[in-house]
Order: sequence, then C-alpha cells, then structure tokens
Amino acid sequence: DTAVSQTPKYLVTQMGNDKSIKCEQNLGHDTMYWYKQDSKKFLKIMFSYNNKELIINETVPNRFSPKSPDKAHLNLHINSLELGDSAVYFCASSQDRFESQYFGPGTRLTVL
Amino acid sequence: EDQVTQSPEALRLQEGESSSLNCSYTVSGLRGLFWYRQDPGKGPEFLFTLYSAGEEKEKERLKATLTKKESFLHITAPKPEDSATYLCAVQHGGATNKLIFGTGTLLAVQP
Repeated sequence: DTAVSQTPKYLVTQMGNDKSIKCEQNLGHDTMYWYKQDSKKFLKIMFSYNNKELIINETVPNRFSPKSPDKAHLNLHINSLELGDSAVYFCASSQDRFESQYFGPGTRLTVL
Repeated sequence: EDQVTQSPEALRLQEGESSSLNCSYTVSGLRGLFWYRQDPGKGPEFLFTLYSAGEEKEKERLKATLTKKESFLHITAPKPEDSATYLCAVQHGGATNKLIFGTGTLLAVQP
C-alpha cells in the first residue's frame, strides 16, 4: 500500500529529449509537490498544487511543466533536457498546504 | 531571507553513544519546523513537527526540541538502524506553504 508512488524510478536519457515523471498519492491529500534534490542532497521545492490549483511556482526554467489531472496525481514534464537537470526528483503530498509532507521514493534522472 | 543550517554535516557514533544534531534557522515568522529522516536511495520520511519554542516531541530513541533560533534532534543510545541523513525544514507563516530545507546531517552509528 504505497502512499506516494512515482514512475519511473530511474530515467536515463539524452540531452535535448523530452521526458515525464508521474506521481500518484492514495492518502486523500489535497496538496502535492515536486522537489529537486541535487548531488549535494539539497532538497528544493519546485512546484506545489492544492486541489489542482498551482500555488507554488519557484524559479524553475519554463522547460519544466507540472500537470495535475486530479487531486491524486501530479506529473512533471521536462522539455529539452539539459545536463544540469540530472538530479533526483521527489513528489510529496500533504493533507493541506500547511501540514506535514509525505514523500515518494524519488526518480533519479540522468541526462547524458 | 529564510535560511536553515544544520550541523554537523556528518556524525559518527558508537552504538549506545548519545548525541544531538543541530538545526539553526532564520525565518520571517515560523509556522512550523519539520524533521525528516532519509535513507540512501529513498524519499525523506517524516519524523516530527514542532510549532512553538519550548515544544518537545519524542519517538523511540529520538527527541526533538525547539527554541526561537534552533532545534535539536537528540538521539539516545542509538542503534545501527538509526544511521541515515536527518533533514530539518522550516515553514514560515506567510501565504506560501513552502518548506526550506537544510542540507542535512549524515549520521553513522557503528556497532
């Protein structure tokens, strides 16, 4: 019974390609997030959706586009991948925008 | 600017050797301070939320405390299974709900 799940777990691709990462939560939470964790393990918020509405949009290149088809799903699409996009991407969810966040297992993206 | 600093960066303990991890923060109106544990290759696992100075929370061998400038995660008689990276994050009281994370403390407990 995985609470927050992501697919794929690993993603290896060439520069310039377009890729998507999918996230689903079965906790009934209203708020979902995307984080990026760099090679130094620093975790930084990218986007947040509350009831399908975008509420946080950090300074992220517009090659990154989140999409929330419903409250339980938040996908991340990345266009024209660059070497610097290599990182681990985590999805998270919380009951509402102020409560504790629960993280998925991460997607390790490697851009060659 | 909101900032979170964790120390030490790495800590090696013998099994049973108690110690504390520090999380210092500057934030405009703290709404909550969160502690997470992260094992290699996994996502952060929620441990505690602290909301006001003087508050304490415990879970097994872990106890988190909060002052107006910092939080401590005390580990009593640690076991090897406590080895992980411990992350601290702050959430300020404005309209945005984003968490600002520290860079973590890598804890290794040797048997």
